[in-house]
Amino acid sequence: DAKTTQPPSMDCAEGRAANLPCNHSTISGNEYVYWYRQIHSQGPQYIIHGLKNNETNEMASLIITEDRKSSTLILPHATLRDTAVYYCIVRVVATGGTSYGKLTFGQGTILTVHP
Amino acid sequence: DTEVTQTPKHLVMGMTNKKSLKCEQHMGHRAMYWYKQKAKKPPELMFVYSYEKLSINESVPSRFSPECPNSSLLNLHLHALQPEDSALYLCASSHQGKRYGYTFGSGTRLTVV
Repeated sequence: DAKTTQPPSMDCAEGRAANLPCNHSTISGNEYVYWYRQIHSQGPQYIIHGLKNNETNEMASLIITEDRKSSTLILPHATLRDTAVYYCIVRVVATGGTSYGKLTFGQGTILTVHP
Repeated sequence: DTEVTQTPKHLVMGMTNKKSLKCEQHMGHRAMYWYKQKAKKPPELMFVYSYEKLSINESVPSRFSPECPNSSLLNLHLHALQPEDSALYLCASSHQGKRYGYTFGSGTRLTVV
């Protein structure tokens, strides 16, 4: 799996944009970048994913650099409920011709949103 | 229905007990997964099922025995566990293909005494 590197923790003021960086310099051309978050004692929650174009949904925006070696997750107006561990994951396709892949979590970034 | 449901939410078992964790989804996903998460650590993949067949076993000890009786249900049978197996056990499901994200359940908090 392509390795991802994230800062261990970040702070953000409520109402401001939270920009969470991720480095994935060994990413291959057909590997997707996924972002999940995990609020304390809950299961991980899917946020967004992309291949090479920037993506936006109701939760967040994903900016992927042109060389695809890094990406940034943007929460445009952070709230206290966005406090969580955010995982950047590069999903690879499992060997043997199957297509379900393996989602391997790194250490993630603990985002704390302050009032 | 867009959820993965896991039962029970909490389980305490002795080292000689046999218990089972249950996971259910009705989203038509044909890939299902078991993850284990220790405190303050990221989830670790244990098993992957694809079309009801075991596709990946990440060298998990045999005291953990997965079962996929149909496309909506995934079980994890537990026997002779150790206290270090205490963790949050997460189930997830997804469509086939790397373009699709996983949907996770809320997990079963297991304590082995």
